[in-house]
Amino acid sequence: AQTVTQSQPEMSVQEAETVTLSCTYDTSESDYYLFWYKQPPSRQMILVIRQEAYKQQNATENRFSVNFQKAAKSFSLKISDSQLGDAAMYFCAYRSDPVKIIFGKGTRLHILP
Amino acid sequence: DTGVSQNPRHKITKRGQNVTFRCDPISEHNRLYWYRQTLGQGPEFLTYFQNEAQLEKSRLLSDRFSAERPKGSFSTLEIQRTEQGDSAMYLCASSKVAGGFPDTDTQYFGPGTRLTVL
Repeated sequence: AQTVTQSQPEMSVQEAETVTLSCTYDTSESDYYLFWYKQPPSRQMILVIRQEAYKQQNATENRFSVNFQKAAKSFSLKISDSQLGDAAMYFCAYRSDPVKIIFGKGTRLHILP
Repeated sequence: DTGVSQNPRHKITKRGQNVTFRCDPISEHNRLYWYRQTLGQGPEFLTYFQNEAQLEKSRLLSDRFSAERPKGSFSTLEIQRTEQGDSAMYLCASSKVAGGFPDTDTQYFGPGTRLTVL
């Protein structure tokens, strides 16, 4: 069965600094998608970034980038120039089934002014 | 369109009562998903619809739970004879199938309905 593990329950970063959130997953599939979702307090979950497993190039979305290591089954999220609005719960997620997303337990990110 | 909406946002009920939640997806999204999120956990898949057809149900979805999506638009999730273990955030998401393998559709989430069973 596929699993997603986020080993950092909480992290803190100084505003304007860079932070990396870790994620590992387990699967026997070769084709799949990986995601990072952001869930601000009392607000809905939004997609931050997506990575297709067949692509070697790491995905980038403005200040957000990933380090995708397929052989190691690792998928970390780097947030550059952290802003107060980045404070949220971040979920790493995996999908190979056409519809079902498997989420990790999340990492709560605090931004220190 | 402003996104996926869910009603009510909060529901408090007594054990044994029935509750029903509603989800309105983004218009023209043909897939609709229900997830459950308990405190300190990520969302867990419950079920999904493609148009009006319910195509997959998780084993988390006991026979006290029923979901419908009449006419392929909004969906309802009903929980009968609620138990304290049903207390959770119930999330709805929708997507528009874009094809490809695996499917490349992105799921857009609603704000959720927080259920508290006393």
